[in-house]
Amino acid sequence: NAGVTQTPKFRILKIGQSMTLQCAQDMNHNYMYWYRQDPGMGLKLIYYSVGAGITDKGEVPNGYNVSRSTTEDFPLRLELAAPSQTSVYFCASSYSPSGSSKSYNEQFFGPGTRLTVL
Amino acid sequence: DAKTTQPPSMDCAEGRAANLPCNHSTISGNEYVYWYRQIHSQGPQYIIHGLKNNETNEMASLIITEDRKSSTLILPHATLRDTAVYYCIVRNAGNMLTFGGGTRLMVKP
Repeated sequence: NAGVTQTPKFRILKIGQSMTLQCAQDMNHNYMYWYRQDPGMGLKLIYYSVGAGITDKGEVPNGYNVSRSTTEDFPLRLELAAPSQTSVYFCASSYSPSGSSKSYNEQFFGPGTRLTVL
Repeated sequence: DAKTTQPPSMDCAEGRAANLPCNHSTISGNEYVYWYRQIHSQGPQYIIHGLKNNETNEMASLIITEDRKSSTLILPHATLRDTAVYYCIVRNAGNMLTFGGGTRLMVKP
């Protein structure tokens, strides 16, 4: 298994540009997450999904959008990039048994995308 | 959500046990204690989790006090590759992980 993969690894955007950060997992996990990590800080949850077609906001959703059309993919969209969105973005996935609204299983993280907005 | 308090940094000699403390005095009865670590610039890596009992796996041991208000992660024989930021997280009911500042562990030769 490749686990959780993210593309691109690095990207520089100009203010106002848009882009999509790609995330895919091949572990058949139903839960997927997007986090951002600013320098010297812990991770903050942007959006998460408990399954295909279902997404929900995390702690810092403003300026981002997500979709989950398949179990495997969970892209993160930045519509109008701002310098405040300069950060490292991590995607993660986990498995929760069917019918359970809670999951205490471990999250698997991707390698991250380092985004700079100038 | 229960918050956690960890020392910002610690040093450990290579080959010795690293004991990383975490306070979570407001933890509720159904909340688990999780430990993740993040090696420089990589995505976080799960280490171990527990509810009440002490837990051990191939990476580490987790000791939770009887009142559950604090815990200690033990790396029995620290190596240079264990240098990382270690996050103690109390898991809320909705499957979310809330990362604080963590403890930066430096393993020295």
